[in-house]
Amino acid sequence: QVRLVESGGGWVKPGGSLRLSCAASGFTFSDHYMSWIRQAPGKGLEWVSYISGSGGTIYYADSVKGRFTISRDNAKNSLYLQMNSLRAEDTAMYYCAREAYSGNYRWTDYWGQGTLVTVSS
Amino acid sequence: SYELTQPPSVSVSPGQTARITCSADALPKQYAYWYQQKPGQAPVLVIYKDSERPSGIPERFSGSSSGTTVTLTISGVQAEDEADYYCQSADSSATYRVFGGGTKLTVL
Repeated sequence: QVRLVESGGGWVKPGGSLRLSCAASGFTFSDHYMSWIRQAPGKGLEWVSYISGSGGTIYYADSVKGRFTISRDNAKNSLYLQMNSLRAEDTAMYYCAREAYSGNYRWTDYWGQGTLVTVSS
Repeated sequence: SYELTQPPSVSVSPGQTARITCSADALPKQYAYWYQQKPGQAPVLVIYKDSERPSGIPERFSGSSSGTTVTLTISGVQAEDEADYYCQSADSSATYRVFGGGTKLTVL
């Protein structure tokens, strides 16, 4: 079965950096786009970024563009999110998510349990 | 920026029908997806491509689309359906993903 396990969250000071990882199993990792989606405490879901199966297509939300970098290692079935210049408003649970596809349409079908990032002085 | 609009809350009694709407200008061009999130848990996909139901999701969950509004309908609501529900779609270029603000479903 599809399994996504995030790691790397924690506490960091404003301006600091953190690298999140997501270990995927139970499916052919390289066949799927993957996303990071976050949720601030008590708030709604916010899409952060996605990457194509080959890594050749990447998009970011405006709120993280220029500060966050998504990447993947298909040999290790792993997804990453490098977060730099962190701000208090980046505090959130970060979810790794798989994207299903049908023709030109893609959507998130499986989510990990999340890793918590806290940015505070 | 592109936004999806959902009502903050919906309340129904057990056995009744709950309808949660999601509105945006690009919805006629893009499919919508619905996720259920219970406290302390990751979201779960309940409807994809406006009206398709993933395997394992009860038949009481259904989706529909009309113009700039999509609707998640839960027929015969059960206590276990109490959760936050989020719609998700993309901008008209299908580049950026957007979530609605979420609707808290309360089963009275």
